[in-house]
Amino acid sequence: EVQLVESGGGLVKPGGSLRLSCAASGFTFSSYSMNWVRQAPGKGLEWVSSISGDSIYIYYADSVKGRFTISRDNAKNSVYLEMYSLRAEDTAFYYCTRVVKPAAYWFHPWGQGTPVTVSS
Amino acid sequence: EIVLTQSPATLSLSPGERATLSCRASESVDIYLAWYQQKLGQAPRLLIYDGSTTATGISARFSGSGSGTDFTLTISSLEPEDFAVYYCQQRRKWPLTFGGGTKVEIK
Repeated sequence: EVQLVESGGGLVKPGGSLRLSCAASGFTFSSYSMNWVRQAPGKGLEWVSSISGDSIYIYYADSVKGRFTISRDNAKNSVYLEMYSLRAEDTAFYYCTRVVKPAAYWFHPWGQGTPVTVSS
Repeated sequence: EIVLTQSPATLSLSPGERATLSCRASESVDIYLAWYQQKLGQAPRLLIYDGSTTATGISARFSGSGSGTDFTLTISSLEPEDFAVYYCQQRRKWPLTFGGGTKVEIK
């Protein structure tokens, strides 16, 4: 069974940093692109970042470009999101997702999410 | 970026009724559109991708259609578990974008 388990969320002050992790299991991790999608409280879904299986292709939403860094460790079956210079508007539930098939950026499955709150 | 506009924002229907949800793109996305369902307190779930391909394990009462700029998600006969929020998403161009969502509520 494919599983994605996020961790690392929490409360951080504006301007602070946080590192989210996503542990994957149940599939050949290196074959699939991985993604982060977030959802602010009471709002819709926002794509944040994607990374290809070999880490060659990396994409960011304009809202996080220059502040967030996505990476992966295929030996550890994990993907990470390092978040810097956090702002109140980064407050959201952050979901780790796989693509449904290699290089097709449809999100399936999803982890349970980890909450990030940016507040003083 | 490609803007996806979903309508209506809220759809009030009774169990057993047919639901028709719309997603319109600001420019052509070919067939590269997906639909997700999100129930309260849960992560989203992929229902349809490539415009009309049903994801694994999804009931046949869900169907997708459309291409270019206009897409439709149809739920043929609403079950109690179908009352949720539905989002569309495109992968034609970066950045990947979602629509604002349609809430299907019990009338």
